[in-house]
This record gives sequence, structure tokens and C-alpha cells, in this order.
Amino acid sequence: EPEVTQTPSHQVTQMGQEVILRCVPISNHLYFYWYRQILGQKVEFLVSFYNNEISEKSEIFDDQFSVERPDGSNFTLKIRSTKLEDSAMYFCASSFRDGNQPQHFGDGTRLSIL
Amino acid sequence: GESVGLHLPTLSVQEGDNSIINCAYSNSASDYFIWYKQESGKGPQFIIDIRSNMDKRQGQRVTVLLNKTVKHLSLQIAATQPGDSAVYFCAEKEGGGADGLTFGKGTHLIIQP
Repeated sequence: EPEVTQTPSHQVTQMGQEVILRCVPISNHLYFYWYRQILGQKVEFLVSFYNNEISEKSEIFDDQFSVERPDGSNFTLKIRSTKLEDSAMYFCASSFRDGNQPQHFGDGTRLSIL
Repeated sequence: GESVGLHLPTLSVQEGDNSIINCAYSNSASDYFIWYKQESGKGPQFIIDIRSNMDKRQGQRVTVLLNKTVKHLSLQIAATQPGDSAVYFCAEKEGGGADGLTFGKGTHLIIQP
């Protein structure tokens, strides 16, 4: 069964450094998403992306965050200058269409900011 | 603000019994609902979804019920197995665009042997 893959599984970064999290969505999906889950808390929406541009974003997705689809298969989340509070699990998801379609998630990248 | 929440943080059931996980939502404009299962170290795994024009939908061993009057969603798992042990999240979405899902806090389902 097709799946969303994310790399790395764990990223440790010094505060203030830039980090890029990578995702390969399901191949025929057109909509891509990033979510985060701080330890012990619920999953929170960050951003959705379609046709090479951001569709929606939450209040969490400030100027420190950016997303990109650099080629036909990868979808990346960049955090420009990481803060301690950026430590969380980051999940990528994709869906075939927008609207009432299930979003399928990867297994996440654990980001630890020191 | 609008939120999606769960009634119980932990639910323990005997293997083979049926389980019911409940979820309350407050956004009356939500029109799409999903249940996800999250095992330790994994991402949320899609279980079943339901649109607001339905009140019941069945899958393999799972049933989702939607009561729009009281803004309540439930997931029924029949004949629970050890592999059903996980955290279960309900999530909701408003509108037909590419909005993100709003997740609840999760219920930890424990299957006792």
C-alpha cells in the first residue's frame, strides 16, 4: 500500500540553526500538509500546499517556517532559526484531492532543539 | 475558539469485547470527520471517515456514528484484538478546501488479555 515517507526519523539541532524536514507524499496525491505534535499534546495543523503554493496556514506557521516542493516527489518544511519550543514530532500528510478526503500521514520526524 | 475534544483519556477493555470511543466537537460548521489510530512511534493511521450528510458508516470491525444535534462522534470497535491498543484521535474539518484537520486530544485504548 502506498505510504507517505519522512526523513530523518530524528533530527537534533542547536537552537538558532536552520532545519529542513523532508517528506515524500503518496505519488498520485495532489495536496500536501504539515502538522506538528508537541509531546503529550494533540496534533496541530501547520500548513497545506497545492499546485506549488500554500493553500492554508495556521497561526503557528509564522515567518520562521516555509514549505517547498523542490521536485516532483519531495515536499519539505524549513524552520529558519529554530527555538526550543519547536521541539515536537512533525508529520507530513497528503491527500488525493481537497475537501472531504482522508489525509494520509507519515510516521513523522522527531525534532529536538538543544 | 472551536475545538474538538474527547471525553476519556484512557479506555481499558477485555480482548474480544466491543469498545466505544467518544468525541465531542464544538464547530457546528464542521462537515467532515475522521478517526485516526496512532501507535507508539508511528503517525496517525486513517481508520474511517464520515461526512455530515450521514449519521453512520461501517468499515471492517469499526463503525462511526455522528450525531449532529449534540455534536457528538463515536467510534465503535467490535471484537477488540491486542493490535487495537493505540491512541485514537477524532478530527474534523470545515468546508471543501485544503484546510487542515482539527484534532482532538486522543483516547488511549488498552486491550486487556
